Amino acid sequence: EAGVTQSPTHLIKTRGQQATLRCSPISGHTSVYWYQQALGLGLQFLLWYDEGEERNRGNFPPRFSGRQFPNYSSELNVNALELEDSALYLCASSLRGVTQYFGPGTRLTVL
Amino acid sequence: GIQVEQSPPDLILQEGANSTLRCNFSDSVNNLQWFHQNPWGQLINLFYIPSGTKQNGRLSATTVATERYSLLYISSSQTTDSGVYFCAVPSGKMNRDDKIIFGKGTRLHILP
Repeated sequence: EAGVTQSPTHLIKTRGQQATLRCSPISGHTSVYWYQQALGLGLQFLLWYDEGEERNRGNFPPRFSGRQFPNYSSELNVNALELEDSALYLCASSLRGVTQYFGPGTRLTVL
Repeated sequence: GIQVEQSPPDLILQEGANSTLRCNFSDSVNNLQWFHQNPWGQLINLFYIPSGTKQNGRLSATTVATERYSLLYISSSQTTDSGVYFCAVPSGKMNRDDKIIFGKGTRLHILP
């Protein structure tokens, strides 16, 4: 069974641009979670999607948004990129909670 | 909100040594997970352990929910055990782990 996949692996953008990160959950999982791990900081919860709806949101500005598609895959969009948005973005999926399984991450670098 | 503290923050051991990592949390939880983040950033589930003890090979974990702590034991450490170990608990009282709060992690470095 395939695990959680994320694309791209690496993404380099400049300040002010937009970044789109993608995540495909484990087959059968309906929830997708996004986390940010900035250098020197811990893992911070960003967004939770379940059954196509945003269920919860972390303490991030509205520049961070996303959506979940009918096939439960998800996109994370970051608008008006700032230098401090440089981080590893991790996606996780779960089936009705219990435990989350993480993807390999997308490393975003903002120059 | 709930606070998660991990100790020690850093640990350097010789290959073959045993180690104990601790996770304290400030409120009652209905689940707790331990993760290993390898040097490439990949997060791997180790245990889902709201209470009691579980073992998986050289790793075991114990959560004492009434005393709000969990321990991760690594025996006969190998260099591949290096990385950061996180514990994580849900932020709310729901059975679902909607918003997970992570500790800052314990960085483990195993020397050959």
